[in-house]
Amino acid sequence: DGGITQSPKYLFRKEGQNVTLSCEQNLNHDAMYWYRQDPGQGLRLIYYSQIVNDFQKGDIAEGYSVSREKKESFPLTVTSAQKNPTAFYLCASSIVASGGTGELFFGEGSRLTVL
Amino acid sequence: QKEVEQDPGPLSVPEGAIVSLNCTYSNSAFQYFMWYRQYSRKGPELLMYTYSSGNKEDGRFTAQVDKSSKYISLFIRDSQPSDSATYLCAMSSKAAGNKLTFGGGTRVLVKP
Repeated sequence: DGGITQSPKYLFRKEGQNVTLSCEQNLNHDAMYWYRQDPGQGLRLIYYSQIVNDFQKGDIAEGYSVSREKKESFPLTVTSAQKNPTAFYLCASSIVASGGTGELFFGEGSRLTVL
Repeated sequence: QKEVEQDPGPLSVPEGAIVSLNCTYSNSAFQYFMWYRQYSRKGPELLMYTYSSGNKEDGRFTAQVDKSSKYISLFIRDSQPSDSATYLCAMSSKAAGNKLTFGGGTRVLVKP
């Protein structure tokens, strides 16, 4: 079945530690995105990538880093510089860059808790 | 002020009732309007997509866009307990590279 796989589903981290969230898609989509979701704030864009080896900052990129070495994979690293990393992280992909018709296909999310 | 405003709810209705959801926005350049449904601890999924003003119907769901008032709505007829979820509006414009701006989501609970 085609889709987006995020791992891990739940992650606990101590303050000062970096953590990497995995996102893999087998939809053959060009564009991939990382969003952060906090209660009552909707989804906020962290980073997005339209093609391999290229990515752009979204609205809240500070304290995060990404790579896009393969079309299928777009891992997100939450660094110790992120002041408030506890959140629900969603990876998404779309057929064309910049969202096209707006249909983003989402993974099931990763919930990160900083202890 | 947020670019897209959405009442967080929760909105509680009895089974069979009409659910009425809405979003207001401030950016007049928005021209693509979407509604996503998100079940608890899951990723959102696209429900409805509308370009510019007008109505669109799909089964029990109707989406309306009023660009003059900067107001969009989603109606769910004959609501079912399985409709219990968070509904997120989202919108985009060519000027913003079609990047989506999401509302905060409205939690809906349909009671049997």
